Amino acid sequence: QKEVEQDPGPLSVPEGAIVSLNCTYSNSAFQYFMWYRQYSRKGPELLMYTYSSGNKEDGRFTAQVDKSSKYISLFIRDSQPSDSATYLCAMSPFAGGGNKLTFGTGTQLKVEL
Amino acid sequence: NAGVTQTPKFQVLKTGQSMTLQCAQDMNHEYMSWYRQDPGMGLRLIHYSVGAGITDQGEVPNGYNVSRSTTEDFPLRLLSAAPSQTSVYFCASSSNSLWTSGGPQETQYFGPGTRLLVL
Repeated sequence: QKEVEQDPGPLSVPEGAIVSLNCTYSNSAFQYFMWYRQYSRKGPELLMYTYSSGNKEDGRFTAQVDKSSKYISLFIRDSQPSDSATYLCAMSPFAGGGNKLTFGTGTQLKVEL
Repeated sequence: NAGVTQTPKFQVLKTGQSMTLQCAQDMNHEYMSWYRQDPGMGLRLIHYSVGAGITDQGEVPNGYNVSRSTTEDFPLRLLSAAPSQTSVYFCASSSNSLWTSGGPQETQYFGPGTRLLVL
């Protein structure tokens, strides 16, 4: 069983829809949770970051962490065609972990006009 | 700043050949790492470095070597290429200030990737 599970999609939604992307994990030591966005044939870019449980909002994006359920979510409001990309969750147990992240497999999202 | 650069962008190798994937960053970041990305597997850590002269293994290190002689460069060497090493390789770098209790002060930067095909 993988430490981090993520539905690969593809997920197709109409423009303006609310998108929900999710990951589950098994390692209770994970404390730092991130969402990366990766456009086709590009490197991932950090989108959102959350420490421990709770919510974090940044514009149209909201990240949620529920450590009791080992479940994290990324919500995208008023989705745009430019949001079409693969979204990767990533997590780490260490404050000083540097680049040692455990990634999900990524969910491919397509926002259609 | 160029950020994180990787060369080549694409490479075809025959089984048994060796090659070096280049990675360079101009942000004076202490941390650098190599990931491979495969369909259905996500990004997996190959090797990482916390500073010049210091490297360590990640999740899938077999068949790969690294060294870090300077802060800027972190090359990945394939000793004897195998078809199982066909993948997209990403180099990443970050400052050691990324991981504080308050959250990352700087983002982690990924390079554009190198697509490797081993026949």
